[in-house]
Amino acid sequence: AIQMTQSPSSLSASVGDRVIITCRASQGIRDDLNWYQQKPGKAPKVLIYSASNLQAGVPSRFSGSGSGTDFTLTISGLQPEDFATYYCLQHHTYPPYSFGQGTKLEIK
Amino acid sequence: EVQLLESGGGLIQPGGSLRLSCAASGFIFSNYAMSWARQSPGKGLEWVAAIGGSGGVTYFADSVKGRFIISRDNSKNTVSLQMNSLRVGDTAIYYCAKDWDMDVWGQGTTVIVSS
Repeated sequence: AIQMTQSPSSLSASVGDRVIITCRASQGIRDDLNWYQQKPGKAPKVLIYSASNLQAGVPSRFSGSGSGTDFTLTISGLQPEDFATYYCLQHHTYPPYSFGQGTKLEIK
Repeated sequence: EVQLLESGGGLIQPGGSLRLSCAASGFIFSNYAMSWARQSPGKGLEWVAAIGGSGGVTYFADSVKGRFIISRDNSKNTVSLQMNSLRVGDTAIYYCAKDWDMDVWGQGTTVIVSS
C-alpha cells in the first residue's frame, strides 16, 4: 500500500504569513492527490484536487503543486479562519487509499 | 447542492455489529463511487472502504477487511457500511464521501465500541 508522509505535524504562524505543508508518497502517484482542511468538530473540506486544482469557492491564497511523489500546499497570506488541520489524500489507481498524518496550523 | 447525511452510529459492545447508512442527494448517485473514512478521537483520518457506482467493485482497508461490508442501493440513493466483530479500536467518527477522491463529505456519525 502507498504510504503518505506529511510534514510538519504542527506549525505555528501569524496572520499574513506564508506557510507550506508537504506530502511525500512512498511511490509515484502522478497527480492523484487532494488537500483538505478540517476545523474542530467539522468534516474535512476539499481545498485542492488533482494536486493543483483549486476547488470552487476556495480562496485563491490556497495553492497546490507537485506530481509523482512530492507535493506541497501553500497558503499565502494567512487569515484567521485558516487556522485548522490540513490533510493530504492519495487516490492513485485502485484503493486502498491513504491520508497523510495531518498538519495542525496554530496561531503564533 | 450535493448533500450526504450519515446515520446509524451509537454505543456498541466489543464483538457486536452496527450498520451505518449514508443518504445522498444533489447528484446522479449511480454515476459515482462512494467512500467511507473514519477519525478516531483526537487522531487523523483513515480511509476505510469504497464501492463503485454500480456496486460491482468494493475495496477495504486492511484494518477492516473481512469484518466490514460496504453496499449501496441506487434506487434509494444510499450507501451502507455493515460493521461486524467490532473492536475498541473501531471507535471513531465515520464519514461517507462522494467518489473515489472524496470530494464532498457528510457531517459524520459517531461509533463508540466499549464494554
